Amino acid sequence: AQSVSQHNHHVILSEAASLELGCNYSYGGTVNLFWYVQYPGQHLQLLLKYFSGDPLVKGIKGFEAEFIKSKFSFNLRKPSVQWSDTAEYFCAVNAGTNSGYALNFGKGTSLLVTP
Amino acid sequence: GAVVSQHPSRVICKSGTSVKIECRSLDFQATTMFWYRQFPKKSLMLMATSNEGSKATYEQGVEKDKFLINHASLTLSTLTVTSAHPEDSSFYICSAGTPLAKNIQYFGAGTRLSVL
Repeated sequence: AQSVSQHNHHVILSEAASLELGCNYSYGGTVNLFWYVQYPGQHLQLLLKYFSGDPLVKGIKGFEAEFIKSKFSFNLRKPSVQWSDTAEYFCAVNAGTNSGYALNFGKGTSLLVTP
Repeated sequence: GAVVSQHPSRVICKSGTSVKIECRSLDFQATTMFWYRQFPKKSLMLMATSNEGSKATYEQGVEKDKFLINHASLTLSTLTVTSAHPEDSSFYICSAGTPLAKNIQYFGAGTRLSVL
Protein backbone atom coordinates (compact mmCIF):
# COMPACT_ATOMS: atom_id res chain seq x y z
CA ALA A 1 0.00 0.00 0.00
CA GLN A 2 1.11 3.53 -0.69
CA SER A 3 2.33 5.27 2.43
CA VAL A 4 4.37 8.18 3.71
CA SER A 5 6.38 7.89 6.91
CA GLN A 6 7.84 10.67 9.00
CA HIS A 7 10.20 9.32 11.58
CA ASN A 8 10.32 12.16 14.04
CA HIS A 9 7.03 13.06 15.67
CA HIS A 10 8.38 15.67 18.05
CA VAL A 11 11.64 17.56 17.71
CA ILE A 12 12.98 20.18 20.09
CA LEU A 13 15.95 22.27 19.03
CA SER A 14 17.74 25.34 20.25
CA GLU A 15 18.02 28.33 17.95
CA ALA A 16 20.88 28.05 15.45
CA ALA A 17 20.88 24.25 15.62
CA SER A 18 20.68 22.31 12.39
CA LEU A 19 17.51 20.50 11.42
CA GLU A 20 16.85 17.34 9.50
CA LEU A 21 13.40 15.77 9.33
CA GLY A 22 13.08 12.35 7.80
CA CYS A 23 10.49 11.33 5.24
CA ASN A 24 10.20 7.99 3.47
CA TYR A 25 7.55 6.92 1.04
CA SER A 26 6.31 3.65 -0.32
CA TYR A 27 5.14 4.16 -3.87
CA GLY A 28 5.80 2.55 -7.19
CA GLY A 29 6.57 4.61 -10.25
CA THR A 30 6.77 8.34 -10.62
CA VAL A 31 6.18 10.46 -7.54
CA ASN A 32 5.89 14.13 -6.75
CA LEU A 33 7.15 15.09 -3.31
CA PHE A 34 6.25 17.99 -1.08
CA TRP A 35 6.95 19.48 2.30
CA TYR A 36 4.26 21.62 3.85
CA VAL A 37 4.47 23.69 7.03
CA GLN A 38 1.66 24.65 9.35
CA TYR A 39 2.44 27.48 11.74
CA PRO A 40 0.29 27.68 14.86
CA GLY A 41 -3.19 28.83 13.96
CA GLN A 42 -2.43 29.08 10.26
CA HIS A 43 -3.13 27.06 7.13
CA LEU A 44 -0.78 24.66 5.43
CA GLN A 45 1.85 26.38 3.31
CA LEU A 46 4.10 24.85 0.69
CA LEU A 47 7.76 24.86 1.73
CA LEU A 48 9.19 23.13 -1.30
CA LYS A 49 8.47 20.50 -3.90
CA TYR A 50 10.21 18.01 -6.14
CA PHE A 51 8.84 16.89 -9.48
CA SER A 52 11.97 16.03 -11.47
CA GLY A 53 15.52 17.20 -12.18
CA ASP A 54 18.02 18.22 -9.53
CA PRO A 55 17.27 16.06 -6.50
CA LEU A 56 18.36 18.82 -4.14
CA VAL A 57 15.57 21.35 -3.99
CA LYS A 58 15.55 24.65 -2.20
CA GLY A 59 12.43 26.12 -0.71
CA ILE A 60 11.36 29.16 1.18
CA LYS A 61 12.84 30.39 4.45
CA GLY A 62 16.16 28.62 3.99
CA PHE A 63 14.77 25.09 3.84
CA GLU A 64 15.98 22.46 1.43
CA ALA A 65 15.26 18.82 0.78
CA GLU A 66 17.04 16.02 -1.00
CA PHE A 67 15.31 13.34 -3.01
CA ILE A 68 17.18 10.04 -2.83
CA LYS A 69 15.39 7.66 -5.12
CA SER A 70 17.28 4.57 -4.00
CA LYS A 71 16.24 5.20 -0.41
CA PHE A 72 12.71 6.37 -1.20
CA SER A 73 13.48 9.38 0.95
CA PHE A 74 12.88 13.12 0.83
CA ASN A 75 14.41 14.56 3.98
CA LEU A 76 13.97 18.19 4.93
CA ARG A 77 16.93 20.21 6.16
CA LYS A 78 17.78 23.64 7.44
CA PRO A 79 21.30 24.59 8.57
CA SER A 80 20.25 26.95 11.34
CA VAL A 81 16.74 27.08 12.75
CA GLN A 82 15.05 30.10 14.23
CA TRP A 83 12.40 30.43 16.89
CA SER A 84 9.94 31.35 14.12
CA ASP A 85 10.40 27.90 12.58
CA THR A 86 8.31 26.42 15.39
CA ALA A 87 5.53 24.66 13.50
CA GLU A 88 4.15 21.36 12.29
CA TYR A 89 5.88 19.94 9.21
CA PHE A 90 4.23 17.53 6.83
CA CYS A 91 5.78 15.45 4.09
CA ALA A 92 3.36 14.62 1.27
CA VAL A 93 3.40 12.60 -1.92
CA ASN A 94 1.26 12.15 -4.97
CA ALA A 95 1.84 9.56 -7.60
CA GLY A 96 2.28 11.63 -10.73
CA THR A 97 -0.20 13.14 -13.14
CA ASN A 98 -2.19 10.00 -13.86
CA SER A 99 -3.50 9.56 -10.36
CA GLY A 100 -4.90 13.01 -9.81
CA TYR A 101 -3.42 15.53 -7.49
CA ALA A 102 -4.65 14.49 -4.06
CA LEU A 103 -1.87 14.29 -1.52
CA ASN A 104 -0.93 11.46 0.76
CA PHE A 105 0.48 12.95 3.96
CA GLY A 106 2.86 11.73 6.59
CA LYS A 107 1.76 12.07 10.20
CA GLY A 108 3.67 15.26 10.68
CA THR A 109 6.56 16.38 12.83
CA SER A 110 6.06 18.96 15.51
CA LEU A 111 9.12 21.21 15.76
CA LEU A 112 9.72 23.40 18.77
CA VAL A 113 12.63 25.82 18.60
CA THR A 114 13.67 27.24 21.93
CA PRO A 115 15.45 30.58 22.34
CA GLY B 1 0.25 32.61 -4.48
CA ALA B 2 -3.27 31.36 -4.94
CA VAL B 3 -5.71 31.81 -2.08
CA VAL B 4 -8.22 29.29 -0.83
CA SER B 5 -10.75 30.53 1.66
CA GLN B 6 -12.59 28.23 4.02
CA HIS B 7 -15.58 29.17 6.13
CA PRO B 8 -16.40 28.92 8.95
CA SER B 9 -13.14 28.55 10.80
CA ARG B 10 -14.85 27.09 13.81
CA VAL B 11 -18.30 25.67 14.43
CA ILE B 12 -19.97 24.12 17.42
CA CYS B 13 -23.21 22.26 16.90
CA LYS B 14 -25.56 19.93 18.66
CA SER B 15 -25.62 16.25 17.89
CA GLY B 16 -28.04 15.46 15.09
CA THR B 17 -27.74 18.77 13.27
CA SER B 18 -26.08 19.35 9.90
CA VAL B 19 -23.16 21.64 9.28
CA LYS B 20 -22.05 23.13 5.97
CA ILE B 21 -18.44 24.10 5.31
CA GLU B 22 -17.51 26.23 2.32
CA CYS B 23 -14.29 26.18 0.36
CA ARG B 24 -13.66 28.94 -2.17
CA SER B 25 -10.83 29.58 -4.56
CA LEU B 26 -10.56 33.36 -4.47
CA ASP B 27 -8.43 34.25 -7.46
CA PHE B 28 -8.54 31.21 -9.68
CA GLN B 29 -10.90 28.58 -10.98
CA ALA B 30 -10.63 25.10 -9.57
CA THR B 31 -12.26 22.21 -11.40
CA THR B 32 -11.11 19.91 -8.65
CA MET B 33 -10.96 20.47 -4.92
CA PHE B 34 -10.03 18.06 -2.18
CA TRP B 35 -11.43 17.58 1.30
CA TYR B 36 -9.23 16.27 4.09
CA ARG B 37 -9.84 15.43 7.71
CA GLN B 38 -7.20 15.86 10.36
CA PHE B 39 -7.45 14.04 13.67
CA PRO B 40 -5.46 15.18 16.72
CA LYS B 41 -1.84 14.07 16.46
CA LYS B 42 -2.63 12.44 13.14
CA SER B 43 -1.99 13.18 9.54
CA LEU B 44 -4.39 14.68 7.07
CA MET B 45 -6.55 11.99 5.54
CA LEU B 46 -8.13 12.47 2.15
CA MET B 47 -11.90 12.17 2.38
CA ALA B 48 -13.02 12.94 -1.12
CA THR B 49 -12.25 14.61 -4.40
CA SER B 50 -14.76 17.26 -5.39
CA ASN B 51 -15.30 17.65 -9.13
CA GLU B 52 -17.07 20.65 -10.59
CA GLY B 53 -20.29 19.65 -12.28
CA SER B 54 -20.13 15.98 -11.33
CA LYS B 55 -20.31 13.70 -8.35
CA ALA B 56 -17.56 13.66 -5.80
CA THR B 57 -15.22 10.71 -5.53
CA TYR B 58 -15.03 9.37 -1.99
CA GLU B 59 -12.18 7.50 -0.42
CA GLN B 60 -12.75 4.05 0.98
CA GLY B 61 -14.43 4.17 4.35
CA VAL B 62 -15.90 7.64 3.95
CA GLU B 63 -19.69 7.66 4.00
CA LYS B 64 -20.99 9.65 1.05
CA ASP B 65 -24.41 10.08 2.66
CA LYS B 66 -22.77 11.42 5.78
CA PHE B 67 -20.40 13.83 4.11
CA LEU B 68 -22.23 15.48 1.23
CA ILE B 69 -20.06 17.32 -1.23
CA ASN B 70 -21.31 19.80 -3.78
CA HIS B 71 -19.09 21.54 -6.31
CA ALA B 72 -21.59 23.76 -8.05
CA SER B 73 -19.19 26.29 -9.51
CA LEU B 74 -15.54 26.60 -10.45
CA THR B 75 -14.79 28.54 -7.30
CA LEU B 76 -16.90 26.87 -4.64
CA SER B 77 -17.11 23.45 -3.07
CA THR B 78 -19.16 22.68 0.01
CA LEU B 79 -18.94 19.86 2.51
CA THR B 80 -22.04 19.17 4.57
CA VAL B 81 -21.72 16.95 7.60
CA THR B 82 -25.20 15.54 7.98
CA SER B 83 -26.69 14.47 11.31
CA ALA B 84 -23.42 15.22 13.02
CA HIS B 85 -22.33 13.16 16.00
CA PRO B 86 -19.50 13.72 18.50
CA GLU B 87 -17.27 11.31 16.60
CA ASP B 88 -17.47 13.68 13.61
CA SER B 89 -15.67 16.33 15.65
CA SER B 90 -12.48 17.04 13.81
CA PHE B 91 -10.52 19.52 11.74
CA TYR B 92 -11.63 19.62 8.11
CA ILE B 93 -9.39 21.15 5.46
CA CYS B 94 -9.93 21.77 1.76
CA SER B 95 -7.41 22.33 -0.99
CA ALA B 96 -7.32 23.23 -4.66
CA GLY B 97 -4.79 23.47 -7.43
CA THR B 98 -4.70 26.24 -10.01
CA PRO B 99 -5.43 25.41 -13.66
CA LEU B 100 -1.80 25.92 -14.65
CA ALA B 101 -0.34 24.09 -11.67
CA LYS B 102 -2.85 21.49 -10.60
CA ASN B 103 -0.17 19.49 -8.91
CA ILE B 104 0.48 22.17 -6.31
CA GLN B 105 -2.25 22.25 -3.74
CA TYR B 106 -3.23 25.41 -1.90
CA PHE B 107 -4.97 24.86 1.37
CA GLY B 108 -7.76 26.57 3.22
CA ALA B 109 -7.24 27.48 6.85
CA GLY B 110 -9.44 24.62 7.99
CA THR B 111 -12.67 24.30 9.96
CA ARG B 112 -12.71 23.06 13.53
CA LEU B 113 -15.98 21.18 14.05
CA SER B 114 -17.09 20.35 17.57
CA VAL B 115 -20.25 18.32 17.96
CA LEU B 116 -21.76 18.33 21.43
